[in-house]
Amino acid sequence: EAQVTQNPRYLITVTGKKLTVTCSQNMNHEYMSWYRQDPGLGLRQIYYSMNVEVTDKGDVPEGYKVSRKEKRNFPLILESPSPNQTSLYFCASRTGNSPLHFGNGTRLTVT
Amino acid sequence: GEDVEQSLFLSVREGDSSVINCTYTDSSSTYLYWYKQEPGAGLQLLTYIFSNMDMKQDQRLTVLLNKKDKHLSLRIADTQTGDSAIYFCAESPLHGSSNTGKLIFGQGTTLQVKP
Repeated sequence: EAQVTQNPRYLITVTGKKLTVTCSQNMNHEYMSWYRQDPGLGLRQIYYSMNVEVTDKGDVPEGYKVSRKEKRNFPLILESPSPNQTSLYFCASRTGNSPLHFGNGTRLTVT
Repeated sequence: GEDVEQSLFLSVREGDSSVINCTYTDSSSTYLYWYKQEPGAGLQLLTYIFSNMDMKQDQRLTVLLNKKDKHLSLRIADTQTGDSAIYFCAESPLHGSSNTGKLIFGQGTTLQVKP
């Protein structure tokens, strides 16, 4: 089944403790992206990748890192999480002009 | 700049039609999308329309695009309680002649369907 898989679905952590949210897609898509969703703000793009080894900042990249060493994986790294990064995170992928396919989301709480 | 605006809330009675409106700013957008998000779930693509079309119908869903006014709407006929969700409008702007792949989302419209 074609899908975007994110892990974990839920994560509670403390300020400053490094964490990684994994994202994997099995559709051979070139483009992958991370969004965060906050009430009243919709989805805002954090980082995106047009292909392997190519990553670019989105609209809200501060405090996040990504890597794209393989086509299928696009992990989101928070080196030193802070409470303002408490949010619902979505990974997505697409090819060409096809619609974005989304993962089921990761709800992160930073205390 | 790139901006997509939606009203935040819509309440309808079961069986009525729902119309969710969206305005966008980037006239270069080639595709415009509607996504649905049910509680605790990810975003599910509902439908999309190419920018050279005025209307697209898919079963109970009708999308209208007014490119001159940069206005997009989603009509749901015979709205059911299972349609209760958040609906996001999104545009896919070009940068130069390239499609970067980025989608710009509105804030989302919460649709409440009363029995």
